[in-house]
Amino acid sequence: QVQLVQSGAEVRKPGASVKVSCKASGYTFTSYVITWVRQAPGQGLEWMGWISVYNGDTNYAQNLQGRVTMTTDTSTSTAYMELRSLISDDTAVYYCARDRGYSGYDRWGQGTLVTVSS
Amino acid sequence: EIVLTQSPGTLSLSPGERATLSCRASQSVSSTYLAWYQHKPGQAPRLLIFGASSRATGIPDRFSGSGSGTDFTLTISRLEPEDFAVYYCQQYGSSFTFGPGTKVDIK
Repeated sequence: QVQLVQSGAEVRKPGASVKVSCKASGYTFTSYVITWVRQAPGQGLEWMGWISVYNGDTNYAQNLQGRVTMTTDTSTSTAYMELRSLISDDTAVYYCARDRGYSGYDRWGQGTLVTVSS
Repeated sequence: EIVLTQSPGTLSLSPGERATLSCRASQSVSSTYLAWYQHKPGQAPRLLIFGASSRATGIPDRFSGSGSGTDFTLTISRLEPEDFAVYYCQQYGSSFTFGPGTKVDIK
């Protein structure tokens, strides 16, 4: 069955970086886009961006441009999201999702809590 | 950027009742690229509806979506205990934005 399994919770100090992984199984990894979404405590869902696993094209949310990088490793069917220069407002649960374009985000990872605190 | 507004913010209903959730866009959503997600605490979001009215695989038929242009609706015909959650609409026709969510809680 289709699964996305994310890496575990992380704690970082302000100014540091974090890299979250998302390992896919049960489908052809290169056939779909991976989208990243986050949810800060008590807030709604925020779209962060997507990466085409097929050709590496990316599209990032404007408010994260310059701080976020999304990559994939097709040899291990793993997607990565790196966020740099962390601030307290980056404290959130980060989700990866399989993006089927018009058909929506049909499978999600379990979420990774990233806490930014001094 | 298209801004989505959801109403009401909270909907208090009893199991068996009908729930009607609204999502309004600041500009027309192209090609009905509008989705609805259910989100429960501690769980990943779950796709319910895509293309404004198409149910995702495995979604019960008590969930239905409708609308076009700037006005969209998610209807849950008869609430089951497991349906109490937060519901988000998302447009993905022009960039990607989520609405602020509607919480459906038990009256």
